[in-house]
Amino acid sequence: EVQLVESGGGLVQPGGSLSLSCAASGFAFSSYAMTWVRQAPGKGLEWVSAISSGGDTTYYADSVKGRFTISRDNSKNTLNLQMNSLRAEDTAVYYCAKVFLLVSAAIRYFQHWGQGTLVTVSS
Amino acid sequence: SYELTQPPSVSVSPGQTARITCSGDALPKQYAYWYQQKPGRAPVVLIYKDSERPSGIPERFSGSSSGTTVTLTISGVQAEDEADYYCQSADSSGTYVFGTGTEVTVL
Repeated sequence: EVQLVESGGGLVQPGGSLSLSCAASGFAFSSYAMTWVRQAPGKGLEWVSAISSGGDTTYYADSVKGRFTISRDNSKNTLNLQMNSLRAEDTAVYYCAKVFLLVSAAIRYFQHWGQGTLVTVSS
Repeated sequence: SYELTQPPSVSVSPGQTARITCSGDALPKQYAYWYQQKPGRAPVVLIYKDSERPSGIPERFSGSSSGTTVTLTISGVQAEDEADYYCQSADSSGTYVFGTGTEVTVL
């Protein structure tokens, strides 16, 4: 059974930093692209960042580019998100998700999700 | 990046059919996917590749595509289908986008 467990959320002041982790199990982690998606309180889903299976290619939403860094440790089956220069508008539940990616067929979607971790940016 | 637009809300009586649209200029070139999210829970994928249903998803959920609009249809709506629904697509640069979301209310 695929399991994704996020951790690292909490309260941080504007301008501060926070590091999120996602522990993966139940599948061949190193074979799958991974992603972070967030949801502000009472709002819709927003894609944040994605990383290739090998970790050599990363993608970011314009809203976090230059402030957030996605990475992975395939030896530890862990996905990470380093968040710097945090703003009030970054307050959200952050989900990690396993990407189903079939490049030849142009299929890309989020097959399994964790339960999320809450990040609150406030003074 | 681009936008995907959904109606904010849809109301439907039990046993009737609910249709949720998602519009975006890139949809003729990219597949669409649909997710269901219940309060306090993570999203669950309902439809992939415009109209394919993952194993375990009830047959009453179906998807279709026409031009710049994709549609999620829930046939024979049940009370448990009350939730938020999101479309999602991707662009050729490797980024992703979600629709604005639709709240489905079962009357």
